[in-house]
Amino acid sequence: DIVMTQSPDSLAVSLGERATINCKSSQSVLYSSLNKNYLAWYQQKPGQPPKLLLYWASTRESGVPDRFTGNGSGTDFTLTISRLQAEDVAVYYCQQHYSSPRTFGQGTKVEIK
Amino acid sequence: EVQLVESGGGLVKPGGSLRISCAASGFSFSSYAMSWVRQAPGKGLEWVSTLSSTGETTYYADSVKGRFTISRDNSNNLLYLQMNSLKVEDTAVYYCAKSQSPVGSAAFFDSWGQGNLVTVSS
Repeated sequence: DIVMTQSPDSLAVSLGERATINCKSSQSVLYSSLNKNYLAWYQQKPGQPPKLLLYWASTRESGVPDRFTGNGSGTDFTLTISRLQAEDVAVYYCQQHYSSPRTFGQGTKVEIK
Repeated sequence: EVQLVESGGGLVKPGGSLRISCAASGFSFSSYAMSWVRQAPGKGLEWVSTLSSTGETTYYADSVKGRFTISRDNSNNLLYLQMNSLKVEDTAVYYCAKSQSPVGSAAFFDSWGQGNLVTVSS
């Protein structure tokens, strides 16, 4: 199984500042022939289901604000929230969709400082 | 608008069975793979099972293999999860989730239901 490890487990950022979440996979999730990284990011606000933010590591889902950016390739990925807003308080999860079982990171809780 | 509405959860004793359902609307249900993802209280997300659009191919997490069965009714836009031999550690909110493609492999989840709580306790 591919193990997904996120860091940090939580972070507190001031409004308008940048938040960066790291996600590392135990093996590459890059499908070389397609040059696609099979890595998705989700946002889960309290009491709500998860919401897809990004897929193929860096493609924003329709309607997702452009302050959310995904980067990385192979085994190391980041989710950056460029200017943190109050509504961004949530737990963020990465997920590999390269192989079964599909595995999630443990989650990173983002709060306002 | 995609809508996924789960139902059928509740309290069940260890060793018991339960079937949960997901009613889908707002998209061509028979064209997409569908999945179940669960979340134990206060914990992270755990993928449970995926079923291809035609119902021919299934995928299961090792933790539920042999106990849970995923199925679908494309005529009525319904997804099911039959859960047998339930354990206390199966207690979780179960989410129905739509995949972005018809096949189950390489699936990420672009729409989620609100979730349905299953509690396994004596």
